[in-house]
Amino acid sequence: GAVVSQHPSWVICKSGTSVKIECRSLDFQATTMFWYRQFPKQSLMLMATSNEGSKATYEQGVEKDKFLINHASLTLSTLTVTSAHPEDSSFYICSPQDPLAYEQYFGPGTRLTVT
Amino acid sequence: QKEVEQDPGPLSVPEGAIVSLNCTYSNSAFQYFMWYRQYSRKGPELLMYTYSSGNKEDGRFTAQVDKSSKYISLFIRDSQPSDSATYLCAMSEGAQKLVFGQGTRLTINP
Repeated sequence: GAVVSQHPSWVICKSGTSVKIECRSLDFQATTMFWYRQFPKQSLMLMATSNEGSKATYEQGVEKDKFLINHASLTLSTLTVTSAHPEDSSFYICSPQDPLAYEQYFGPGTRLTVT
Repeated sequence: QKEVEQDPGPLSVPEGAIVSLNCTYSNSAFQYFMWYRQYSRKGPELLMYTYSSGNKEDGRFTAQVDKSSKYISLFIRDSQPSDSATYLCAMSEGAQKLVFGQGTRLTINP
């Protein structure tokens, strides 16, 4: 399967600060990147879809000014949680899309805790 | 009604048992069906991928898709304690966003 990395794996930050999460596809070039959020004991919820070099498309209810997505290259995408609040504490998972395949692979996830 | 329905469990079975996990869906346009395994605090790991109807086998795992009934299944034979995880079904119409089931928490008891 595809190799996807995320960094950091776990981050704790204070309320009001910003946190950047990186996602890298290590063995293919991802023209599309999906970002998901997962609360405890719940399924994955799609937050946004981004195509390389374009603005991200956000799902209903996801604030685009709060969750900034940058997909500047085919192997790197970042998600920045701005002015984080405790309710943003969650597990964030990226999924780069290999344009030559239909199956989707996921990163190992980043656990964000906002105090 | 959710697009994809999956019994959240929890499901607990003894080691060596055959496990059956299922999802139903309402969107007849779904063509691609996947099963993921997710351990606690880890990203989902792709287990099985099926296109359209039919069966697919990989080791102890068998995936079945019945598009006429809008029903998919994952069977795990000779279940092991290491199979204890949450299993998520997911599906899509094409190279588009996945729609996930709620996930089933499975525990295999030694």
